[in-house]
Amino acid sequence: GAGVSQTPSNKVTEKGKYVELRCDPISGHTALYWYRQSLGQGPEFLIYFQGTGAADDSGLPNDRFFAVRPEGSVSTLKIQRTERGDSAVYLCASSPSGAGGPQETQYFGPGTRLLVL
Amino acid sequence: AQSVAQPEDQVNVAEGNPLTVKCTYSVSGNPYLFWYVQYPNRGLQFLLKYITGDNLVKGSYGFEAEFNKSQTSFHLKKPSALVSDSALYFCAVRDKRGYNKLIFGAGTRLAVHP
Repeated sequence: GAGVSQTPSNKVTEKGKYVELRCDPISGHTALYWYRQSLGQGPEFLIYFQGTGAADDSGLPNDRFFAVRPEGSVSTLKIQRTERGDSAVYLCASSPSGAGGPQETQYFGPGTRLLVL
Repeated sequence: AQSVAQPEDQVNVAEGNPLTVKCTYSVSGNPYLFWYVQYPNRGLQFLLKYITGDNLVKGSYGFEAEFNKSQTSFHLKKPSALVSDSALYFCAVRDKRGYNKLIFGAGTRLAVHP
């Protein structure tokens, strides 16, 4: 089947605006992850969903960032009152069960490039 | 604190020559280790992973990686580089204790010259 898809591929917004980034995981994958990749750096973990619930949100930088996965499939990352420092590529990944075992390889989508002016 | 180091920002190699991209890690216990590749304007593509057992792991596109527990290293290798291997390579670790997040290095840009 199809891989992880993310929309939009690019998003330009103004400082202070609200944005939503969408992730559609691989069909049947229970676990979903969000990462943020700033220019010249490796991806940094934001949040991990096991089904509908956020199992680990320790990477969210502050309360302007929020993510949901209401039906256990598609997820939306929401950023309120955007700041220029939020500019980055936001990557989504999914894995089969999120059980933490050796078979849990994370497969990444193409990312959403967010630019806050 | 858990961390991954990729000491080289860029590696240059001539086509047909062997390549090595270095990675060392600092994680308690024995983590799972991964290599991903990123082409321009593309997401991360999984290359290979080390779980346990044989220290030499083979992956996609002819890549392999060697796990060295005493040196806490997981270097990526390929016997004969192709121009099409030019990309950004990321090493990552995941704690075996059930924490699912990946911790990535900063990445190494591989440039293969004709």
